[in-house]
Amino acid sequence: AQKITQTQPGMFVQEKEAVTLDCTYDTSDPSYGLFWYKQPSSGEMIFLIYQGSYDQQNATEGRYSLNFQKARKSANLVISASQLGDSAMYFCAISPHSWGKLQFGAGTQVVVTP
Amino acid sequence: DAGVIQSPRHEVTEMGQEVTLRCKPISGHDYLFWYRQTMMRGLELLIYFNNNVPIDDSGMPEDRFSAKMPNASFSTLKIQPSEPRDSAVYFCASSPRDRVFFGPGTRLTVL
Repeated sequence: AQKITQTQPGMFVQEKEAVTLDCTYDTSDPSYGLFWYKQPSSGEMIFLIYQGSYDQQNATEGRYSLNFQKARKSANLVISASQLGDSAMYFCAISPHSWGKLQFGAGTQVVVTP
Repeated sequence: DAGVIQSPRHEVTEMGQEVTLRCKPISGHDYLFWYRQTMMRGLELLIYFNNNVPIDDSGMPEDRFSAKMPNASFSTLKIQPSEPRDSAVYFCASSPRDRVFFGPGTRLTVL
């Protein structure tokens, strides 16, 4: 069984500042993958970043980085230099290494202000 | 690549009618997922396929829901008969593994 917890329902961040979105998980699988998705108000689900549980380095994709702390079972997303276009709902998700069953957290609503 | 294609984008129907949602996954992806998103329940995995074979349909809410994948480039999610509580956004997604790409979704409203 897997579970994803996002404790921040919403947050405001000022443009050009960095923001950290929290994600903790619980799984009995020895290996797994962690994902972050962005859902703007238009509704589409946009893949941002992926971290494998055995990856040695934290994943980075442009302004997105994943602060992966395996012992603490956390996979926080860091968005550097926030832009107005970053305003969206952000979802953390987990999948077993055997694949399938990508399960999502409840999401965090981010509003970037000028 | 055109990405995951879903049709229709919007569907409004009356209770009791049959609804069919369609999906064309990204070519070469051997996993296909159907998700449902509502305000109350968030994103729920309904069913997923691997190489056109249904692997796990434990998320399908009831027998009114059925999904098929007759070939690698097409899948359908059918609701018969539809009910107002089925109103939601239905996403199809495909994956080669390690990345899951979502379609734009179908917004279903059942009156």
